[in-house]
Order: sequence, then structure tokens, then C-alpha cells
Amino acid sequence: EAGVVQSPRYKIIEKKQPVAFWCNPISGHNTLYWYLQNLGQGPELLIRYENEEAVDDSQLPKDRFSAERLKGVDSTLKIQPAELGDSAVYLCASSLRGRDEQFFGPGTRLTVL
Amino acid sequence: GEDVEQSLFLSVREGDSSVINCTYTDSSSTYLYWYKQEPGAGLQLLTYIFSNMDMKQDQRLTVLLNKKDKHLSLRIADTQTGDSAIYFCAESMQGGGNKLTFGTGTQLKVEL
Repeated sequence: EAGVVQSPRYKIIEKKQPVAFWCNPISGHNTLYWYLQNLGQGPELLIRYENEEAVDDSQLPKDRFSAERLKGVDSTLKIQPAELGDSAVYLCASSLRGRDEQFFGPGTRLTVL
Repeated sequence: GEDVEQSLFLSVREGDSSVINCTYTDSSSTYLYWYKQEPGAGLQLLTYIFSNMDMKQDQRLTVLLNKKDKHLSLRIADTQTGDSAIYFCAESMQGGGNKLTFGTGTQLKVEL
């Protein structure tokens, strides 16, 4: 069974440019999470989806960040415009509804110059 | 508020036991987790413990929970070089795939 797939693995952009990350969760997993992991820190939740509904986006900086999961399967996280402080690893995870184990993808490492 | 703390670094010799510690502040935590992150990889769930338990053992891993002191530990027996990684503890307020709050991570280095 394939795990959580994320692309790209690495992205380097200049500040003020837009960037998008893509995540394909494990087949059948209703719940999808986007986390931000700064260097030397643990992941912090940005947004959680149950199917196509964002049920917790309280930590998502909505002035520049947006996310979607239109068909309740794969998801896209966008930053527009990117700032220097957005340099981090963006992790996607998924889980079955009602289950606690979250399965993580390898992450996208973003560098903003 | 939620706050999970860990020591930053631990170095052990191969074959010795490793003990990684974690403290948390929210007494309403229901599940506590240990994740492992290898370089360039996502997080892998190692084990978890429900808050009404005080110990859980899974092969080389032993989790101890002291609810009174809000202290969680992970013991790795017979530590191997492949155990070198960053270990995160995390707590959740409810079961069912809810929000995880992670600690800052402990980097474990296993020396020959």
C-alpha cells in the first residue's frame, strides 16, 4: 500500500512569489492534515480536513495561506505571496476517521530567498 | 494552554538503553504518542499510550506515563545505530484523529 505522497520534495522560490504543495493521502483515509515544521521544532497543525470540509483551520494564516481538498481526496496548500519566514518543511498526514494514528508524508522543504 | 517540552539532545552507546523524556502541561490529554523522524523523512508513529495507563511495552520500546507529574518517557532497549533520529512526543485532547501537539523533539545519536 502506498503511503502519503507529497510533491514537490523541495522548492526554492524568491520572496513574494506564489508556491503550491500537493498531497495525496493514503487511499480511504477521510482525514487529512497539513503541518508546518520549522527547523528544530515539532510540527504545528495548519489545517485539518474531514473529507472535503476544513474542520480546523484556526492556525492557518489566511492572509497568505489557502488550502483546498475539493473531492475529499488529494489536497493543495498554497502560499501567496511567500515571505522569508515561510521557509520550513510542510508535512501532510492522513488518518482514518475515528482512528488516532496519523501517517505522515515525507514533506516539502520550502526555501524562500 | 498546551505546551510539550523535551530535552534537545541525547547520546548513547550502541547496545545501551536510551531514555527520552517529555513533559506536558495539559492534564486533559487523552493520548500521548512517540514519533520518530529520520533525516529527510516524515514522522513515523512508534507507539502511543492512553492516559489511563501507566506503562506500555512493545518489543524494545517501553513507554512510562506519570500523570501526576505530567511526565512521559520512552525507553529504547539495546539501542542500535538505526535508532539515530529525532524523537517527538505528542499529545492529543481526544481520540479519533484530532489535533496533535508536538514537543520540540529530542535528537538521539547512537555511537559505536
